[in-house]
Amino acid sequence: GAVVSQHPSWVICKSGTSVKIECRSLDFQATTMFWYRQFPKQSLMLMATSNEGSKATYEQGVEKDKFLINHASLTLSTLTVTSAHPEDSSFYICSALVGNYEQYFGPGTRLTVT
Amino acid sequence: KQEVTQIPAALSVPEGENLVLNCSFTDSAIYNLQWFRQDPGKGLTSLLLIQSSQREQTSGRLNASLDKSSGRSTLYIAASQPGDSATYLCAVGAAGNKLTFGGGTRVLVKP
Repeated sequence: GAVVSQHPSWVICKSGTSVKIECRSLDFQATTMFWYRQFPKQSLMLMATSNEGSKATYEQGVEKDKFLINHASLTLSTLTVTSAHPEDSSFYICSALVGNYEQYFGPGTRLTVT
Repeated sequence: KQEVTQIPAALSVPEGENLVLNCSFTDSAIYNLQWFRQDPGKGLTSLLLIQSSQREQTSGRLNASLDKSSGRSTLYIAASQPGDSATYLCAVGAAGNKLTFGGGTRVLVKP
């Protein structure tokens, strides 16, 4: 089956710094990937749709200048949280679109901003 | 705006009992509905995907039904096992392959 990896699996950073999270499709190419955020004991919320070779599409309320998404290749999308603050602490999960509608999810990245 | 609700939020059953998890959604114009399993601190594992034209899907001990007109889906897990303990999420698929997730049901199966 399709495998999606994320790196790092967890990261702790200081307030004001930037953090990059990678999402890779290991055994397939993905022109479309998605980034989700999950706060403790809450469900996943879609942040943005990442399309290879074009600008990401952000959901309402998500600051595009704060959450920079780059989908530079068919197997890699990155999410950079710029000038991170404690309220950005969350579990970030990516998924890759396979075929027309099926999404395979990565294992998630736990971000803690101190 | 699509809203997805899962009831109950938490469920505890003895081993061997059947599980019934409910999911409701407000907008019936969906492309598909998926059920996922999430273990603590982990990503999502897809369990079942039901296309909007389908009424149900089955995989092993799992069966999911879909009633678009009433905006409901139910996930049945037969003969529950302690290994079934996890959070179960339903998600509704719309245009652009965007998924709207419910809040999840935390399941504990006691040995």
